[in-house]
Amino acid sequence: SQQGEEDPQALSIQEGENATMNCRYKTSINNLQWYRQNSGRGLVHLILIRSNEREKHSGRLRVTLDTSKKSSSLLITASRAADTASYFCATGNNNDMRFGAGTRLTVKP
Amino acid sequence: DTEVTQTPKHLVMGMTNKKSLKCEQHMGHRAMYWYKQKAKKPPELMFVYSYEKLSINESVPSRFSPECPNSSLLNLHLHALQPEDSALYLCASSRLAAYNEQFFGPGTRLTVL
Repeated sequence: SQQGEEDPQALSIQEGENATMNCRYKTSINNLQWYRQNSGRGLVHLILIRSNEREKHSGRLRVTLDTSKKSSSLLITASRAADTASYFCATGNNNDMRFGAGTRLTVKP
Repeated sequence: DTEVTQTPKHLVMGMTNKKSLKCEQHMGHRAMYWYKQKAKKPPELMFVYSYEKLSINESVPSRFSPECPNSSLLNLHLHALQPEDSALYLCASSRLAAYNEQFFGPGTRLTVL
């Protein structure tokens, strides 16, 4: 079953702009992860943030986690056309991972 | 080698056929997963194997039968499927740890006629 909800469902921006996606989850977690999926292909892991962390950076990605609100956000800065994809948050404990509904990001050149 | 491979890439089968999906990884991961993904939906967990033993079965119909013959291989045997089983089937693997990044294969696109 799905664990999280993401918003927006779809986001369309111009190249160079920043994109922010949000994720809300329901139960307590060990960690929260973000994945990217290009159309009809496998998922690629982007970043993992542990439940005792509040913010994490990786290249153009910035992830925040607020466990009191059971929410996380993914910020992609200086977006590129190649960032066009679906982005999913995933939460779980041990090896039982559940995905949110996802945000479809379109970056126009 | 940080790759998870899946075969076949595409599969078309009738409702009376028996077929198998195959997944392989050589990263030494001891957890392997099957997910089902319908169009424009997130992946849904089907099965989890830990140390070659089935640890999670998400109430998947018996027409789907997983098998983990060794630590590198994961199979999904299909029999008497329904058209609504048409989907992208994704395999993934990870270390057995609380903070576990999952590595995904490219998936098998299954069409049931």
